[in-house]
Amino acid sequence: EAQVTQNPRYLITVTGKKLTVTCSQNMNHEYMSWYRQDPGLGLRQIYYSMNVEVTDKGDVPEGYKVSRKEKRNFPLILESPSPNQTSLYFCASSLNGPYGYTFGSGTRLTVV
Amino acid sequence: AQKITQTQPGMFVQEKEAVTLDCTYDTSDQSYGLFWYKQPSSGEMIFLIYQGSYDEQNATEGRYSLNFQKARKSANLVISASQLGDSAMYFCAMREGVSDYGNNRLAFGKGNQVVVIP
Repeated sequence: EAQVTQNPRYLITVTGKKLTVTCSQNMNHEYMSWYRQDPGLGLRQIYYSMNVEVTDKGDVPEGYKVSRKEKRNFPLILESPSPNQTSLYFCASSLNGPYGYTFGSGTRLTVV
Repeated sequence: AQKITQTQPGMFVQEKEAVTLDCTYDTSDQSYGLFWYKQPSSGEMIFLIYQGSYDEQNATEGRYSLNFQKARKSANLVISASQLGDSAMYFCAMREGVSDYGNNRLAFGKGNQVVVIP
């Protein structure tokens, strides 16, 4: 089944404790991206990747890191999480061009 | 500039009735894709329907249809025969097909909240 697998689904952590949210797709998509969704602010792009070893900042990259060492994986790293990073996070992948995203199931992150 | 505009406030819809969700978009590209996603309270983003800019026919997927008016740059979603399970947030999105270079991201509207009442 073609899918984007995102883990964990729910995570509660403490301020400053490094964490990684994993994202993996099995569709050989070039483009992958991370979004966060907050009430009233909609979906905002954090980082994106056009292909292996090609990553760039989206609209709200501060406090996040990503890497794209393999085509299928695009982990999101929070080196020192803070409460303002409490949010619903989505990983998505697609072909490059006018194509829709396939979304992961989302990660609800709470930083206390 | 905002590429996708969804301005309707939250909507209450009677079960079995049709509902139309408005979406206008802004682009100067000739090639683009328009999408609608559904987000239920559980949070996942579910793809509903796609319309390509060169498609002459309006897209349909089961109870979902997209009323595509290219000259007006609108892509309204019509849900026929609403069901209780249709209660969700609905997002309109557009992706331009410029090239393989640069961040041609999927641009989202703010969403429309729909509540179906029995």
